[in-house]
Amino acid sequence: AQSVTQPDIHITVSEGASLELRCNYSYGATPYLFWYVQSPGQGLQLLLKYFSGDTLVQGIKGFEAEFKRSQSSFNLRKPSVHWSDAAEYFCAVGTNAGNMLTFGGGTRLMVKP
Amino acid sequence: KAGVTQTPRYLIKTRGQQVTLSCSPISGHRSVSWYQQTPGQGLQFLFEYFSETQRNKGNFPGRFSGRQFSNSRSEMNVSTLELGDSALYLCASSPLGQGAQNIQYFGAGTRLSVL
Repeated sequence: AQSVTQPDIHITVSEGASLELRCNYSYGATPYLFWYVQSPGQGLQLLLKYFSGDTLVQGIKGFEAEFKRSQSSFNLRKPSVHWSDAAEYFCAVGTNAGNMLTFGGGTRLMVKP
Repeated sequence: KAGVTQTPRYLIKTRGQQVTLSCSPISGHRSVSWYQQTPGQGLQFLFEYFSETQRNKGNFPGRFSGRQFSNSRSEMNVSTLELGDSALYLCASSPLGQGAQNIQYFGAGTRLSVL
């Protein structure tokens, strides 16, 4: 069975600073990896996805993520954080078995002015 | 296109009652998945429906059930509600039949409170 770990429950960064959110996965085959963002009281919005090919993927809102098979990681990055980026971020892995995602526990991002 | 629509947005029920939640997928999407989100357990997969058939099921008791109609709209039902069923229930729709290279689009969720 697959699993996803997000080691950081909370992260606080200053506006304008760079950001990296960590994600480690466990899955026996080639994973399909996703990052979603959730604002309070809202559903999940897809930031980016990795299926195959180039290991550095670009997403919306200036986010990018890098797939590293050797480290079983899919870390999310942003060079300069904006106050509107404050939200909860979820890493997820999908499989060929159907439309079901396994999520990490989430990382709550706070942005200091 | 309209996004995934979930109704109602908020529900308050008491223990022992049952509840039905509704999800209308994005037009043309045939797969609907349901997830439960709680502070303690996080986001957990409940089940997936495709072409009116349950294709995958998560590790939840039989009190949790669902169905999908011919127009791809889906409902989930929870019978004999328990306090622990209080959660945000999220529905997601996908355009393709299989999980490979598929993307799920989420609704805003239904917040269920069990008193």
